[in-house]
Amino acid sequence: DAGVTQSPTHLIKTRGQQVTLRCSPKSGHDTVSWYQQALGQGPQFIFQYYEEEERQRGNFPDRFSGHQFPNYSSELNVNALLLGDSALYLCASSFGTGGLNTGELFFGEGSRLTVL
Amino acid sequence: RKEVEQDPGPFNVPEGATVAFNCTYSNSASQSFFWYRQDCRKEPKLLMSVYSSGNEDGRFTAQLNRASQYISLLIRDSKLSDSATYLCVVNQAGTALIFGKGTTLSVSS
Repeated sequence: DAGVTQSPTHLIKTRGQQVTLRCSPKSGHDTVSWYQQALGQGPQFIFQYYEEEERQRGNFPDRFSGHQFPNYSSELNVNALLLGDSALYLCASSFGTGGLNTGELFFGEGSRLTVL
Repeated sequence: RKEVEQDPGPFNVPEGATVAFNCTYSNSASQSFFWYRQDCRKEPKLLMSVYSSGNEDGRFTAQLNRASQYISLLIRDSKLSDSATYLCVVNQAGTALIFGKGTTLSVSS
């Protein structure tokens, strides 16, 4: 049973560039949430996708956007990269938005983005 | 004030020790509470939920004090394998999980 898979695992970009990160949820899950984890910090909620729509959003600028596909996989796009965007980007899946209430989010290993 | 605050540590303890982590949250409307564990350079994983009456899972005991908006995690008989960062997590119904910065535990032999 495949867990949450993310790609790429590591990437390096320069300021001003754009990046796309990808996530496939755990089998049977239909909800994908994205988190940003800076070094020494806890994960910060970016947004959540369910039924191909953004359902909730954290305190992140519009440079952060996403998409969910019919097969429940998801992409996170970040435009006009800043040095401060360097972080581990975590994708988490659950079943239905109610999955948030159970507290059991299944995380992927993350995509580590370095912005130079 | 941050929504979820934790003492970042690190907590350095010998094997067999008992260690306690504390967490406070600012939103009194928070309804669900959890502890996640994150190993170095790995993803967070759910350790246990925290119930109002307190709950235990083997060597781990979690407690919640809604009046004080305070959550705790107690680890008894620490093992080397308990070394990790422990993340306190809260949420309101139907909203995103809010994570604390985490408390780092290092257990030594």
